Amino acid sequence: GAVVSQHPSRVICKSGTSVKIECRSLDFQATTMFWYRQFPKQSLMLMATSNEGSKATYEQGVEKDKFLINHASLTLSTLTVTSAHPEDSSFYICSALSGYEQYFGPGTRLTVT
Amino acid sequence: RKEVEQDPGPFNVPEGATVAFNCTYSNSASQSFFWYRQDCRKEPKLLMSVYSSGNEDGRFTAQLNRASQYISLLIRDSKLSDSATYLCVVNFPASGTYKYIFGTGTRLKVLA
Repeated sequence: GAVVSQHPSRVICKSGTSVKIECRSLDFQATTMFWYRQFPKQSLMLMATSNEGSKATYEQGVEKDKFLINHASLTLSTLTVTSAHPEDSSFYICSALSGYEQYFGPGTRLTVT
Repeated sequence: RKEVEQDPGPFNVPEGATVAFNCTYSNSASQSFFWYRQDCRKEPKLLMSVYSSGNEDGRFTAQLNRASQYISLLIRDSKLSDSATYLCVVNFPASGTYKYIFGTGTRLKVLA
């Protein structure tokens, strides 16, 4: 149980375009999901907390207009990176909360050229 | 002081050895504690949850010391496949919800 999927697993896009990443809890419902990014050899950095039916809570320094989060159902949260730039290239990972435990999706590797 | 601190390592141990990692936390209101393992370029996977004094699962034992505010992870009979980064995660109530704080991880290398 507690499986989280993420799509796409890998994406390459041109600078200035937008990319949408989906995070789904496959066998449980998740009121709360988290979005992280991770640079090589660095620790996970929490970007925002996504709550079903309400606005996401962003961490300090994360631009909410650039990283749009929508949590429209109990099994799906999406992160849209708008007007992507090369510095947005990173590993984006979502997690879904089941009870007190976080279960992570396999991550999306974004490369902006 | 960081909210969650871990020794980054690496810990290089021979196969079959017993190795222990510590993780200290600063918020005395912390309620739940977790150990995750993360392989290179992969997502973290939940290894163990600790809600009371400790937890054991096969070769892995986690212990919680609330008085000294640390949790430990003990790995017995290390396997090559145990090589990974081990993340300590702590949660505590904040603003009507729970906040999760990740340690920076401890790298383990098990050598043949």
